[in-house]
Amino acid sequence: DTEVTQTPKHLVMGMTNKKSLKCEQHMGHRAMYWYKQKAKKPPELMFVYSYEKLSINESVPSRFSPECPNSSLLNLHLHALQPEDSALYLCASSPGQGPSYEQYFGPGTRLTVT
Amino acid sequence: AQSVTQPDIHITVSEGASLELRCNYSYGATPYLFWYVQSPGQGLQLLLKYFSGDTLVQGIKGFEAEFKRSQSSFNLRKPSVHWSDAAEYFCAVGAVSDFGNEKLTFGTGTRLTIIP
Repeated sequence: DTEVTQTPKHLVMGMTNKKSLKCEQHMGHRAMYWYKQKAKKPPELMFVYSYEKLSINESVPSRFSPECPNSSLLNLHLHALQPEDSALYLCASSPGQGPSYEQYFGPGTRLTVT
Repeated sequence: AQSVTQPDIHITVSEGASLELRCNYSYGATPYLFWYVQSPGQGLQLLLKYFSGDTLVQGIKGFEAEFKRSQSSFNLRKPSVHWSDAAEYFCAVGAVSDFGNEKLTFGTGTRLTIIP
């Protein structure tokens, strides 16, 4: 299985809602990533987990809260988002954390904040 | 700090014609270089990567790229494009940032349109 899955595919939420994005991989990868991608822009790194521990937080606002319950699963909890947070949220995984490791991307969750 | 430049925002090519997408990087050491492709509303798929060794690397879907250290370039090529190649293409460099973080830095992307 060489696939990264993400649910849901689409999410619409109000600014007072709490929701979660889910990412799963069964490739035995030990590093997992959250990226944010605005339209016509490249992905921007948000968080990196390595061996289930938060390794990198790219100064992301606290309304985004990542969680890695186990080595196969990565969540992104959302609370009190702003309309400018509307974007495609991509999850990725790699065998390890490091610049030489190929990252495998999921299809993304299209988030709209109203 | 590492950076990646893709000078062409949008390229239009006729089906069957050859393709070259440009990528220039800036990094103090030998970087790890990647090309990814993204179809509309989808995730990114790795086309090919360069770490060391032979400077001409072959990838999936008939793509190849050549690493030229003297020009700090890693251009993507395909001898004959197909309509299904229409997508956004991102060049990326894997390196250690000024803060000691190991991360991928993406270029701004090149949108490829194929005309019949």
